[in-house]
Amino acid sequence: EVQLVESGGGLVQPGGSLKLSCAASGFTFSGYWMHWVRQAPGKGLFWVSRIDTDGSSTTYADSVKGRFTISRDNAKNTLYLQMNSLRAEDTAVYYCVRGGHGLNYFDYWGQGTPVTVSS
Amino acid sequence: QTVVTQEPSFSVSPGGTVTLTCGLSSGSVSTSYYPSWYQQTPGQAPRTLIYNTNTRSSGVPDRFSGSILGNKAALTITGAQADDESHYYCVLYMGSGLSNWVFGGGTKLTVL
Repeated sequence: EVQLVESGGGLVQPGGSLKLSCAASGFTFSGYWMHWVRQAPGKGLFWVSRIDTDGSSTTYADSVKGRFTISRDNAKNTLYLQMNSLRAEDTAVYYCVRGGHGLNYFDYWGQGTPVTVSS
Repeated sequence: QTVVTQEPSFSVSPGGTVTLTCGLSSGSVSTSYYPSWYQQTPGQAPRTLIYNTNTRSSGVPDRFSGSILGNKAALTITGAQADDESHYYCVLYMGSGLSNWVFGGGTKLTVL
């Protein structure tokens, strides 16, 4: 069974940093692109970032580029999101999501970890 | 900036059929955008329903179907049930570069 378990969320002050982790199990982690998708309170879904299978290629949404860094450790079956220079508008539940094979969609979702940026 | 459009809300009677759409603020949606659809109930993670325009994800009942209708992607629910009352989101793949995937704002479906 595919499982994605996020951790690392919490309360952080504006301008601060936080690093999210996502532990993957039940599939060959190194064989899949991975994504972070977030959802602000009461709002819709928003794609944040994607990383390819070996971490050599990453892309970001405009609003987080230069502040967030996605990475992965295939030996530990873990996905990361380093978030710097956090803003109030980054407040959201952050979901770790597995990419569907070759067809540019999202197939399995974690339960999410909440991030609150507030003073 | 590309905006993906969805109806903010829709209602359907139990047993009825409803079609939700996913469009672009400028241009037409085609299969090249790999439209996919996700269902989310309050407090839960999204669930994948449809990908690659019309392929049902594993375990999704066949009363959910995807298509291209005119210049939009569409999700049709046939024989709506009470537990179909959820938010539905589409996402389009915009290609390589920044903001590769763009979600629509979601449709709140009420079954009553």
